[in-house]
Amino acid sequence: EDKVVQSPLSLVVHEGDTVTLNCSYEVTNFRSLLWYKQEKKAPTFLFMLTSSGIEKKSGRLSSILDKKELFSILNITATQTGDSAIYLCAVVTNTGNQFYFGTGTSLTVIP
Amino acid sequence: KAGVTQTPRYLIKTRGQQVTLSCSPISGHRSVSWYQQTPGQGLQFLFEYFSETQRNKGNFPGRFSGRQFSNSRSEMNVSTLELGDSALYLCASSLWAGGQPEQFFGPGTRLTVL
Repeated sequence: EDKVVQSPLSLVVHEGDTVTLNCSYEVTNFRSLLWYKQEKKAPTFLFMLTSSGIEKKSGRLSSILDKKELFSILNITATQTGDSAIYLCAVVTNTGNQFYFGTGTSLTVIP
Repeated sequence: KAGVTQTPRYLIKTRGQQVTLSCSPISGHRSVSWYQQTPGQGLQFLFEYFSETQRNKGNFPGRFSGRQFSNSRSEMNVSTLELGDSALYLCASSLWAGGQPEQFFGPGTRLTVL
């Protein structure tokens, strides 16, 4: 059965800390892995990863994919209270373009 | 460019009723995907439409159906509502199928089934 597992389920850190969120997957016909940030509204797109070892970076956020070990990490450096959100990982397959989402990591950044 | 819009934003129904939700994608986007989000199950894929054709479907019963019109607007229908159908229903649009090159979500429709 195809599945995406995110860890930890929740995380509380202080402003300025660096966090690493994990996403592991077991799907057939992997196409791409996506990260989203969801606050009190709809998810917003962060990154799409298709190739192993190539880091995607946007400001304090970065992500990398390991297709051999079947996981991705999302790093957030110098966290701010505005980073508090649920971070979702999704895997898209080549077979019918199926999306499989993890249950998310809830990140809380306290001042 | 206007974002993805969904109507209605909130809906309260009773068991056994049916409901139709609407999603208007970003102008020029041809793919619309629907998701159900609940606290226990997270975000689950319902189906995707591209150019008026259902491209793929998640593991949901036949009570969940959808369609897409020639202007790419999409509707989702749930018949014979059950309490467990209470959820946030999100739609997302993208230029191409499979959420390519990136996917934009609408604000969602919060459905409560009593």
